[in-house]
Amino acid sequence: EDKVVQSPLSLVVHEGDTVTLNCSYEVTNFRSLLWYKQEKKAPTFLFMLTSSGIEKKSGRLSSILDKKELFSILNITATQTGDSAVYLCAGVNQAGTALIFGKGTTLSVSS
Amino acid sequence: KAGVTQTPRYLIKTRGQQVTLSCSPISGHRSVSWYQQTPGQGLQFLFEYFSETQRNKGNFPGRFSGRQFSNSRSEMNVSTLELGDSALYLCASSLDTGDTQYFGPGTRLTVL
Repeated sequence: EDKVVQSPLSLVVHEGDTVTLNCSYEVTNFRSLLWYKQEKKAPTFLFMLTSSGIEKKSGRLSSILDKKELFSILNITATQTGDSAVYLCAGVNQAGTALIFGKGTTLSVSS
Repeated sequence: KAGVTQTPRYLIKTRGQQVTLSCSPISGHRSVSWYQQTPGQGLQFLFEYFSETQRNKGNFPGRFSGRQFSNSRSEMNVSTLELGDSALYLCASSLDTGDTQYFGPGTRLTVL
């Protein structure tokens, strides 16, 4: 059965800290891995990763995929209180028919 | 471009009733997927529609059904509601199956 596991489940840091969120996956005929940020409402798209070793970057956020070891990490540098959210990763199989989500990592950034 | 919209945003029902939720995808997106989000189970896939056809279905009972119209708008129906159906129901649209999905704000369903 396909599954995605995220760690840690929750994290509390101070503003300015750097955090690393982990996502391991077992997805049949893996196609891509997605990262989303969810605040109070809908998940908002962050990154789509399909190739190993190529870092995707957007401002203070970056992510990389390791298809050999079946994991991905999401890095956030110089965290801000606005980064407080649940971060979700999801695996997609080749058919692309469904996203298999992890339970998420709840990040709390205190000022 | 307008995002994914869902109506209603909040709904309170009692056990045994049925409910219909609506989702309008981003213009040009033909794939609509539905998810149930609960604190215990996280986000779980319900089903996906593309061009009015159900392409894939998750592991939910037959009480959960959906459909898609020719304008790509989609509805989800839950019959004979149970307390455990209380959840946030999210729909997501994409250009095609497998493309990046963009989520709507969700419908918060409470079953009493």
